[in-house]
Amino acid sequence: QKEVEQDPGPLSVPEGAIVSLNCTYSNSAFQYFMWYRQYSRKGPELLMYTYSSGNKEDGRFTAQVDKSSKYISLFIRDSQPSDSATYLCAMTDSWGKLQFGAGTQVVVTP
Amino acid sequence: NAGVTQTPKFRILKIGQSMTLQCTQDMNHNYMYWYRQDPGMGLKLIYYSVGAGITDKGEVPNGYNVSRSTTEDFPLRLELAAPSQTSVYFCASSYSQDRGLSTEAFFGQGTRLTVV
Repeated sequence: QKEVEQDPGPLSVPEGAIVSLNCTYSNSAFQYFMWYRQYSRKGPELLMYTYSSGNKEDGRFTAQVDKSSKYISLFIRDSQPSDSATYLCAMTDSWGKLQFGAGTQVVVTP
Repeated sequence: NAGVTQTPKFRILKIGQSMTLQCTQDMNHNYMYWYRQDPGMGLKLIYYSVGAGITDKGEVPNGYNVSRSTTEDFPLRLELAAPSQTSVYFCASSYSQDRGLSTEAFFGQGTRLTVV
């Protein structure tokens, strides 16, 4: 079993819709949770990070962490064609190991 | 600020050849990572380092070696290249004050490696 599971998609939504992404994990040692965005042929860039269970908002983006269920989510409101990219969840344990999910390809159609 | 620099950007290797992928960062980050990304897939951790002189295996370390003699550099060595090592390789770095609780990881532009 992989330590971090993420549906690879693709996920296609019309412009203006809410995009919902999620990951599950099996390692209770993971403490720090992140979402990265990767455009084609580029390295990933950090979107959001959180340490504790609960919600965190940043503009159109909301990250949720439920440590009891080992489940994290990312919501993108009012999606734009420029949001089309691959979104990767990531998490670290106390030893500094940074692990990524498989990434979900998102396509926002005008 | 250069950030994380990887060289080369592209490379074609023959089966059995060896090469070193270079990675250097100028942000004084203590953590560094090597990942491989196969087409349509996520990032798989090969090796990581939490400081100079300290390295540890990730998910897929077989066929690779690393060293971390300085804070800035974290080269990845392929000893006997195999077609299964055809991939895009990303180096990343981050800073952590408290063990494991690192902040944003910055990525290099990647090295596209083909083994034929």
